[in-house]
Amino acid sequence: SQELEQSPQSLIVQEGKNLTINCTSSKTLYGLYWYKQKYGEGLIFLMMLQKGGEEKSHEKITAKLDEKKQQSSLHITASQPSHAGIYLCGAVSGGAQKLVFGQGTRLTINP
Amino acid sequence: NAGVMQNPRHLVRRRGQEARLRCSPMKGHSHVYWYRQLPEEGLKFMVYLQKENIIDESGMPKERFSAEFPKEGPSILRIQQVVRGDSAAYFCASSGTGTDQPQHFGDGTRLSIL
Repeated sequence: SQELEQSPQSLIVQEGKNLTINCTSSKTLYGLYWYKQKYGEGLIFLMMLQKGGEEKSHEKITAKLDEKKQQSSLHITASQPSHAGIYLCGAVSGGAQKLVFGQGTRLTINP
Repeated sequence: NAGVMQNPRHLVRRRGQEARLRCSPMKGHSHVYWYRQLPEEGLKFMVYLQKENIIDESGMPKERFSAEFPKEGPSILRIQQVVRGDSAAYFCASSGTGTDQPQHFGDGTRLSIL
């Protein structure tokens, strides 16, 4: 079965600094999703990547999928307190519609 | 447009009771998914439904758990004879048709078993 490994598990950065979160898959990724979750709330969809080498940006967040489609990174530029939360990568499992998730990266932004 | 609506947000049950969790998908979405997030664990897939059909229930416990998505009304996740280990956050997601359609999540139902 497909497994996703996220690193780091937790991250504390100073406001204004850049940061990167990685997601590595045990199998080829056919669809990679990034979500953000705040404590006690649901998941907010950020971006979806499907093609090798694909890169998408939204405001200060950029996500990339490598050419081999086994690793993705999420990069935040000039971090703000509003970026704090748990970031989850999810992948379509094989040909099925269900998502398999990484264990999450807890991001804290210090003012 | 309203997002995925789940209710109740919090549900408390005593051991042996039944729990019913409801999910109304986003407007225009016909695919519903249920996931469970146990304390200190990741998000795990439970079941995938389309209207009146269970497509994939590979993540559902074999006993006490059932799900439905009727022609009219919300999707229901039902847990019979709840036990302490059922305490978790249950999330519903919905999507449109097509492999390029992302799943959008509700705010979840936090189930606590006394």
